[in-house]
Amino acid sequence: DVKVTQSSRYLVKRTGEKVFLECVQDMDHENMFWYRQDPGLGLRLIYFSYDVKMKEKGDIPEGYSVSREKKERFSLILESASTNQTSMYLCASSSPYGTGANVLTFGAGSRLTVL
Amino acid sequence: TQLLEQSPQFLSIQEGENLTVYCNSSSVFSSLQWYRQEPGEGPVLLVTVVTGGEVKKLKRLTFQFGDARKDSSLHITAAQPGDTGLYLCAGEGTSGSRLTFGEGTQLTVNP
Repeated sequence: DVKVTQSSRYLVKRTGEKVFLECVQDMDHENMFWYRQDPGLGLRLIYFSYDVKMKEKGDIPEGYSVSREKKERFSLILESASTNQTSMYLCASSSPYGTGANVLTFGAGSRLTVL
Repeated sequence: TQLLEQSPQFLSIQEGENLTVYCNSSSVFSSLQWYRQEPGEGPVLLVTVVTGGEVKKLKRLTFQFGDARKDSSLHITAAQPGDTGLYLCAGEGTSGSRLTFGEGTQLTVNP
């Protein structure tokens, strides 16, 4: 069964801490994405990557950075967490090829609370 | 930036009722995807519609893509408690593979 795995389901951090959210996919997908999900706002794209060591800003990149050193792994980094970054973070992957092109497979999410 | 407006935002109905969720935009999309998300999980794809006017059926769920490829609807017949969840539409722009998501419709089907 294909999978996107987010290493932490729940995290509680303090303001100013550095936070790493890890995501691994086993589908050999080229594309990987980080979204945040807040009630009434839907899914908002933070960063995405079309290839190893490549990254593109999404709609709300401020306060975040990403790393993609290997094809299967895409990390989201909060350099200095703030309370307004309390949210559900969803990682997703997709392939640009084939019949299921650009269909997202999501992880289960990481719920981050910043105190 | 392409926007997708989804309505209603919340829907609470009784088992056996029918419902329709709408997804509207002023932009043209090359395809429109519908996802369902259950509590504690990530969204899961239900269907992709590609052709203007296309209708796809998935058991009691009927999905339609507007003729102009700017809007879509999801109709559920005889809703069941197992249909409870957050329904999300997502449009793929004509120039790339980034998806634009609607705000979501939280559906609750009461037994």
